[in-house]
Formats: sequence, structure tokens, C-alpha cells
Amino acid sequence: GAVVSQHPSRVICKSGTSVKIECRSLDFQATTMFWYRQFPKKSLMLMATSNEGSKATYEQGVEKDKFLINHASLTLSTLTVTSAHPEDSSFYICSARELRENTGELFFGEGSRLTVL
Amino acid sequence: GQNIDQPTEMTATEGAIVQINCTYQTSGFNGLFWYQQHAGEAPTFLSYNVLDGLEEKGRFSSFLSRSKGYSYLLLKELQMKDSASYLCAVGSGGYNKLIFGAGTRLAVHP
Repeated sequence: GAVVSQHPSRVICKSGTSVKIECRSLDFQATTMFWYRQFPKKSLMLMATSNEGSKATYEQGVEKDKFLINHASLTLSTLTVTSAHPEDSSFYICSARELRENTGELFFGEGSRLTVL
Repeated sequence: GQNIDQPTEMTATEGAIVQINCTYQTSGFNGLFWYQQHAGEAPTFLSYNVLDGLEEKGRFSSFLSRSKGYSYLLLKELQMKDSASYLCAVGSGGYNKLIFGAGTRLAVHP
């Protein structure tokens, strides 16, 4: 199946710093990627839909200035957590679907665990 | 609004059959997905239903009734490794984004 890779898998940072997480589709092109957040023992909460070449679409309650999303190419989307605080500590997961494929399986990255001290 | 309900926890015995139910009310519907997630790992795809009926794939089967807003995931011949969270998700909207339920934590006992 298709492969989605996230980096870094784990990151620890100090409060007030910014952290960038990369999401790459390794063997397919994706015009749309999705960013999710997951708290311990909770389900995935959709944060935003990342569109190649245009602005991301954020879900209600998600601060777009806090969570900057850039979809620079058909294989790369980045999520930057700006001025991180301890409450931003979470498991962030990206997912992607193949180009022009609007139905069917969504492929997930391995996830990135962020800990803000 | 979006509402996806599934039981929080279930337990079952190794070798048995378990059915995990999911009901949904969403503003759009492009299909229903089931994913398996082990603790600390990303979700892995199990099944996808867009038409009513039963889809069988090995030990796992998934059923959908669009008129009732209902789906279930059936796991047969349970193995210890099946202990995981099972996530029901509905595809919705122009980008067919997936909206997830809270997940069902399944514990399989010997």
C-alpha cells in the first residue's frame, strides 16, 4: 500500500518555541492531506485539511495562527506549532489520499509525539 | 452537526467473535471506514463501505446500513493481537475528510 512518512516521530521542546512536523507521501502524489491530533486514549480530532498550492481549511476551534500548515508540493505538507505551550503536547498524525482519489482508503503517517516542557 | 457513536470498551475471549457497533449522524456521507489502532501507533485501514451490505475480508467483516446510519465491524476467531482500539470514521465533505468516532478499546483475553 501507499506510504506516508512523518518526521520527527518524537520531539521535546521548551515552552515558547516553534516546532515543525513534516508529512511526506513517499510513493504517490497527494493534493490533499489531513492533520489530526490525538490525546491519550482519545480518538483522532481533525485539525485541518491541507491543500497543495492553497490555504489550509481549518476545523472549528483550531487556531490557524497557532497551527501553521503549508502544502508546498504534491508530496509534502508541514505543520508548525508556533509558540508551543504544555497544553499543545499531543500526538499529531497526518494522512493522505492519492491524487484525484476522493474516495477509499486514507493512508496515515506514523505520527509525531510532541512534548512541550 | 457531526455525531459518531461507538462503545467505549469491549472485552472478548480468544477464538470468539465480537461485533463492534457504530451509529452516525453527519452532514454528508461519502463512505464509512474502520481503522485499527494499537497504543502509540498510527491507525491502519481495515475496511471501507459505501453501499449497504456486508463486506468480508478474512477474519474481519464490516456492515453498513445507510438508511439507519449504522455500521458494525465483526471480528472472528479473535487473537490476542486483536487487542487494540477500533475507530469508526465517516467520510464527509468535498475533500472526503474523515471524521472519527471516539474509538472502541477491545481487550482479548485467553
